[in-house]
Amino acid sequence: KQEVTQIPAALSVPEGENLVLNCSFTDSAIYNLQWFRQDPGKGLTSLLLIQSSQREQTSGRLNASLDKSSGRSTLYIAASQPGDSATYLCAVRGVSGANNLFFGTGTRLTVIP
Amino acid sequence: DTEVTQTPKHLVMGMTNKKSLKCEQHMGHRAMYWYKQKAKKPPELMFVYSYEKLSINESVPSRFSPECPNSSLLNLHLHALQPEDSALYLCASSQGWETNEKLFFGSGTQLSVL
Repeated sequence: KQEVTQIPAALSVPEGENLVLNCSFTDSAIYNLQWFRQDPGKGLTSLLLIQSSQREQTSGRLNASLDKSSGRSTLYIAASQPGDSATYLCAVRGVSGANNLFFGTGTRLTVIP
Repeated sequence: DTEVTQTPKHLVMGMTNKKSLKCEQHMGHRAMYWYKQKAKKPPELMFVYSYEKLSINESVPSRFSPECPNSSLLNLHLHALQPEDSALYLCASSQGWETNEKLFFGSGTQLSVL
């Protein structure tokens, strides 16, 4: 069964810093990987979706990369702001199984003003 | 309109109550999902509807009963819940139950069972 791990579980950075969040998965047979943001007690907001044939996707200050063969993805946030504080989840869509969307456990980011 | 709307936002119910959670989207998506999320845990899939038919039931107890009246609406009927069912219930939708589809989530219903 696919296992998705996110390290670190929590991260605090001062405002303005660039930072990288990591996501690793055990089965490289995937269709895509999606990064989400979740504020406390709220739903998930989709940030970026990378198809298995792609290497990276960019949206504003966010850049997500995918190395399918090594089972890794990173989410790069440039010039972090206090409003970026949230939990970031990655989710991998595998090629096998009826329920084939696997979530990581998340990284809780705090950006200190 | 790229929103998935869930109501109510908060719900407190007793173990003998019957209540319903509602989810609505107007993006023309044909797949809709219910997820359950406990605090500091990732979402767990409960049900998937594809073209208004139940496609996946992840061995969810019968006290949770999903319903898809039409392609825009998804309900989750609750009856005789237990305190351990307290969680954030998330609805999601996608264009179809396809392999490369992007998921859109609602803001969730925070459920407390007393």
